[in-house]
Amino acid sequence: KAGVTQTPRYLIKTRGQQVTLSCSPISGHRSVSWYQQTPGQGLQFLFEYFSETQRNKGNFPGRFSGRQFSNSRSEMNVSTLELGDSALYLCASSLGGAPKQETQYFGPGTRLLVL
Amino acid sequence: QKEVEQNSGPLSVPEGAIASLNCTYSDRVSQSFFWYRQYSGKSPELIMSIYSNGDKEDGRFTAQLNKASQYVSLLIRDSQPSDSATYLCARGGQNFVFGPGTRLSVLP
Repeated sequence: KAGVTQTPRYLIKTRGQQVTLSCSPISGHRSVSWYQQTPGQGLQFLFEYFSETQRNKGNFPGRFSGRQFSNSRSEMNVSTLELGDSALYLCASSLGGAPKQETQYFGPGTRLLVL
Repeated sequence: QKEVEQNSGPLSVPEGAIASLNCTYSDRVSQSFFWYRQYSGKSPELIMSIYSNGDKEDGRFTAQLNKASQYVSLLIRDSQPSDSATYLCARGGQNFVFGPGTRLSVLP
């Protein structure tokens, strides 16, 4: 079974621009979570989507948004980029729903550099 | 107090020794816990999950959970240089919370 895929793998943007990252979950997984990882803050939860609905949201500004499509693929968007948005953005998928179906499997990540 | 805490390390052990990684959590109602390994520049990969008090073994890895003490640990037996990585503890649920990670260095 193919793993979680993320595109693009690397991005360079300038301040003020916006960016869209894509994540394709493991086949059959309905939950997709997004994380930001930086050396200083570690792995921080952005949001989680399940069956096209945002089910949970972390403590990030509204510039960070996401969506999920009917095939469970998910995108996240960051508008008005700031230097501090430079990070590794990780997507993780899980079956979701019932207990013990929550194990998350990570994609390779998208490394974003904001200049 | 952070929800999930780990000693950031680095923890250095000689090859062949047992590495012991510890994690504490603050939410008493947490039911599930996970250990991930992350190599430098790579994404986290799942080592194991644990839901019940006691030990769970998988090869050289043993996870231990003590809900009364709000403590979860990971033991790595016969440590190898290839085990050198950052180990992330997470408490599960719809909203995973990760600890800061412990950097392990296994010295040849």
